[in-house]
Amino acid sequence: DAGITQSPRHKVTETGTPVTLRCHQTENHRYMYWYRQDPGHGLRLIHYSYGVKDTDKGEVSDGYSVSRSKTEDFLLTLESATSSQTSVYFCAISDSNTDTQYFGPGTRLTVL
Amino acid sequence: AQRVTQPEKLLSVFKGAPVELKCNYSYSGSPELFWYVQYSRQRLQLLLRHISRESIKGFTADLNKGETSFHLKKPFAQEEDSAMYYCALRGPQAGTALIFGKGTTLSVSS
Repeated sequence: DAGITQSPRHKVTETGTPVTLRCHQTENHRYMYWYRQDPGHGLRLIHYSYGVKDTDKGEVSDGYSVSRSKTEDFLLTLESATSSQTSVYFCAISDSNTDTQYFGPGTRLTVL
Repeated sequence: AQRVTQPEKLLSVFKGAPVELKCNYSYSGSPELFWYVQYSRQRLQLLLRHISRESIKGFTADLNKGETSFHLKKPFAQEEDSAMYYCALRGPQAGTALIFGKGTTLSVSS
């Protein structure tokens, strides 16, 4: 599992509340990513990071922000959750040796 | 535009039948192609990467640059192959994010 964990694994929240999802890795990989998975859309990139404090937007970044203050943690924040952000969120890392992406177990978020 | 197309949402086969999951891509340059598999409510797992040319769990995939395809094949399907399969591509630069197709659900029944 490439040492990737996500927390929480499940969350139910209400529209308008802020939500932060955490991705933690144990192997000091440089690149980290947040994707969302939705039926009929596959996985789409939200934000990614190429180092501490270095982040950039992906395809579906509106309504999301990220932070990476330590190599091992990549946080995804929904500033004001909406029902359209109900999804499964996957964090991924790019293995520094093989340049292959490995995924975390996912966080299932429901916004009521 | 960079794009991955998986034309089938669902592919249903019987155990022992051959399987081919289709993947076509659009990319200007030399992409890297991948297949990921996701068993029910689990994390995505790397199945194949085109540059490694391996056979994993009996699956193979050949990159056809002329047809811009990277179809996934298995000669004899097993029930445990039932899962969601995603084709993905990315550029050659290290750390580039993946672009995914919409996925194909493979259902293998006895």
